[in-house]
Amino acid sequence: GAVVSQHPSRVICKSGTSVKIECRSLDFQATTMFWYRQFPKQSLMLMATSNEGSKATYEQGVEKDKFLINHASLTLSTLTVTSAHPEDSSFYICSASLGQGYGYTFGSGTRLTVV
Amino acid sequence: GENVEQHPSTLSVQEGDSAVIKCTYSDSASNYFPWYKQELGKGPQLIIDIRSNVGEKKDQRIAVTLNKTAKHFSLHITETQPEDSAVYFCAASRYGNNRLAFGKGNQVVVIP
Repeated sequence: GAVVSQHPSRVICKSGTSVKIECRSLDFQATTMFWYRQFPKQSLMLMATSNEGSKATYEQGVEKDKFLINHASLTLSTLTVTSAHPEDSSFYICSASLGQGYGYTFGSGTRLTVV
Repeated sequence: GENVEQHPSTLSVQEGDSAVIKCTYSDSASNYFPWYKQELGKGPQLIIDIRSNVGEKKDQRIAVTLNKTAKHFSLHITETQPEDSAVYFCAASRYGNNRLAFGKGNQVVVIP
């Protein structure tokens, strides 16, 4: 089945630094990947849709300069949290689909803690 | 856009009993309805899904039913086991639109 690999699983960084999270589709090509943010005991909040070879589409209220998304190949999308602050601490999850009409597979998530 | 409501928020069941989680959706054009199981500290895992051209789908102890007229769909877990304890999310999307609209999640606790 479709597998999405996400790294790192946990990261602790200092306030003001940047952190990059990788999302890879291991056995399929994903023209579109999605980045979510999840706070404790809450649902998944879509942050942006990552499109291979073009700019990401951000949801309302999500700062594109804060959360940089790069989808340079059909198997890799990255999310960079720039100038991280404690309020950026959260669980970030990526997902990808085999295509229209197919299901979505999620990565294992990244727990970001900004100190 | 699509709005997915999920009830109840928390459900406790005795091991061996059945658990049912219900979701409603607002967009009659939605035609794909997946259910995800999320364990603590992990990403959601697809456990079953259903498309609008069928009313029911079953996979071992898990089943999903869809009522398009009423715009609701339900997850049924039979013979629950402690390892079924997790948060379950329902979602909906429309073919041609990659966006998934999620419910708020349901914490299922199976009591041994």
